[in-house]
Amino acid sequence: KNEVEQSPQNLTAQEGEFITINCSYSVGISALHWLQQHPGGGIVSLFMLSSGKKKHGRLIATINIQEKHSSLHITASHPRDSAVYICAVRPGTNTGNQFYFGTGTSLTVIP
Amino acid sequence: KAGVTQTPRYLIKTRGQQVTLSCSPISGHRSVSWYQQTPGQGLQFLFEYFSETQRNKGNFPGRFSGRQFSNSRSEMNVSTLELGDSALYLCASSLIPRSEAFFGQGTRLTVV
Repeated sequence: KNEVEQSPQNLTAQEGEFITINCSYSVGISALHWLQQHPGGGIVSLFMLSSGKKKHGRLIATINIQEKHSSLHITASHPRDSAVYICAVRPGTNTGNQFYFGTGTSLTVIP
Repeated sequence: KAGVTQTPRYLIKTRGQQVTLSCSPISGHRSVSWYQQTPGQGLQFLFEYFSETQRNKGNFPGRFSGRQFSNSRSEMNVSTLELGDSALYLCASSLIPRSEAFFGQGTRLTVV
């Protein structure tokens, strides 16, 4: 059983479209990360959330702790946004960086 | 400010050999955690070190081990390599456990 579920698994969008990626989790958490992974491997942490909403440029992340759900939105998508987006949660009972990871959403933005 | 640095970036080893991977955290960060990423299993937690002490360990066999030095640099070692150990190994650093984690570029290990 996966503690973290992401949807959709794959997403293709036209440049300029508004994109939403969803993450649901089944455990109590102390924090949730949204990560971006480009082909070639390296991972970039986009957001760390424990409540509410954060915005950075064209990216917006929200979390609803009661519903155990988070969304990542990309406004005015661009081909350079093409990557795999991964949701990672830190269980509330854990004292470190022992994350549970979603399987990722592969996003392709077509010019 | 330099990011998390992992060396080497790519590695090819033969089944049965052992391998050591290195992770240099962001300056000032004292917590280092390691993860394995495979197409079949996705990202999985290996272990975490803070102030030279292992704090948490994931569900991996004893062939996987690690350590952290006084300058916070960390190494992980895999002995008696198996084909299934082929993966991208990522490390992340944070100031302290539970603060925001920053990931490295990873080391891609291929076992032949």
